[in-house]
Amino acid sequence: EPEVTQTPSHQVTQMGQEVILRCVPISNHLYFYWYRQILGQKVEFLVSFYNNEISEKSEIFDDQFSVERPDGSNFTLKIRSTKLEDSAMYFCASRGQEASYEQYFGPGTRLTVT
Amino acid sequence: KNQVEQSPQSLIILEGKNCTLQCNYTVSPFSNLRWYKQDTGRGPVSLTIMTFSENTKSNGRYTATLDADTKQSSLHITASQLSDSASYICVVSATGNYQLIWGAGTKLIIKP
Repeated sequence: EPEVTQTPSHQVTQMGQEVILRCVPISNHLYFYWYRQILGQKVEFLVSFYNNEISEKSEIFDDQFSVERPDGSNFTLKIRSTKLEDSAMYFCASRGQEASYEQYFGPGTRLTVT
Repeated sequence: KNQVEQSPQSLIILEGKNCTLQCNYTVSPFSNLRWYKQDTGRGPVSLTIMTFSENTKSNGRYTATLDADTKQSSLHITASQLSDSASYICVVSATGNYQLIWGAGTKLIIKP
């Protein structure tokens, strides 16, 4: 069964450094999402991406964040100048046709900023 | 403000017993409601998705109900198994906005 994959599973970085989290969505999906979940808290929407551009973003998704689909398979989240409060699980999700509501989530990347 | 509230916050039951988790929402205009299961340290996995016109949906031992008038949903788990131990999250989507509004989840622990 097709699934969303994410790499790395765990990333440790120093405050102020840039990180890139990578996702490979399900191959025929058209809509892509990033979410984050701070330990013990709710899942929070960051951004949605369709047709090579951002379709929606939350207040969390400020200039520190960017997304890209550099090729036909990868979907990346870049965090510039990481802060301690960026430590969280980051989940990528993808969705197929517009008529389908179903989002499929990857296993997540645990980001630890020290 | 669009919000999703879940209760209880946590629940411990014995293996083989049934349980019901609750979700209240204030999302408008309503599009659909989902229940996800999230194992610790893993991504959420969809259990059910219900639109306005659906008031019950089953997925194996999981049965979700939706009352769009009172803006309430429940997730009933029958004959619980140890593998049901997880967080169960209620998520609501508004029409015209694909952003999902997440509840805080109910942490369910099944004891042998």
